[in-house]
Amino acid sequence: AQSVTQLDSHVSVSEGTPVLLRCNYSSSYSPSLFWYVQHPNKGLQLLLKYTSAATLVKGINGFEAEFKKSETSFHLTKPSAHMSDAAEYFCVVSGGSQGNLIFGKGTKLSVKP
Amino acid sequence: NAGVMQNPRHLVRRRGQEARLRCSPMKGHSHVYWYRQLPEEGLKFMVYLQKENIIDESGMPKERFSAEFPKEGPSILRIQQVVRGDSAAYFCASSPQREAYEQYFGPGTRLTVT
Repeated sequence: AQSVTQLDSHVSVSEGTPVLLRCNYSSSYSPSLFWYVQHPNKGLQLLLKYTSAATLVKGINGFEAEFKKSETSFHLTKPSAHMSDAAEYFCVVSGGSQGNLIFGKGTKLSVKP
Repeated sequence: NAGVMQNPRHLVRRRGQEARLRCSPMKGHSHVYWYRQLPEEGLKFMVYLQKENIIDESGMPKERFSAEFPKEGPSILRIQQVVRGDSAAYFCASSPQREAYEQYFGPGTRLTVT
């Protein structure tokens, strides 16, 4: 069975400092992995996706994530946080043959001025 | 190209009433997924539909919930006899092909049951 664990429910950083949001996954086969962002009272926007190509994936807004099979991790990083990055971030793994997605519980990112 | 559209954006129902949530997929997409987000939680898969077919409903509650995606018109998620525990945000996503993990999400419908 597929599952995903986001290790921090809340992360707080100062503007201009690096961001690290941690995610571990469990999958019985080679998974597809995603990060989505949700701003307050808004829908979800795809930040980036890994689908068995390059292990370092670059996304929008300066975010990137590295797929590490040996560690079953897919952590999201950004070198320098911006105030507009404050949102909730979801790590997602492909659910199986039918295409449904399995979401982590989310990490709320706060950015202090 | 308009994105995934959901309406209404906010819906208030009293206990025992019916709620109907609509989702229009992106143009050219024939696969629709419904997810529910409870407060302080991630999204949980409910159902996956293709035009006129339910492909996977393993995440749907066994009673009171149903979904359809007719040949013409939007996909509908229907909740009969709503209870307070149904209060949540319901998101629809669409994709252009079967088992496509790149899904495009709508803005959601926030259902409040009073």
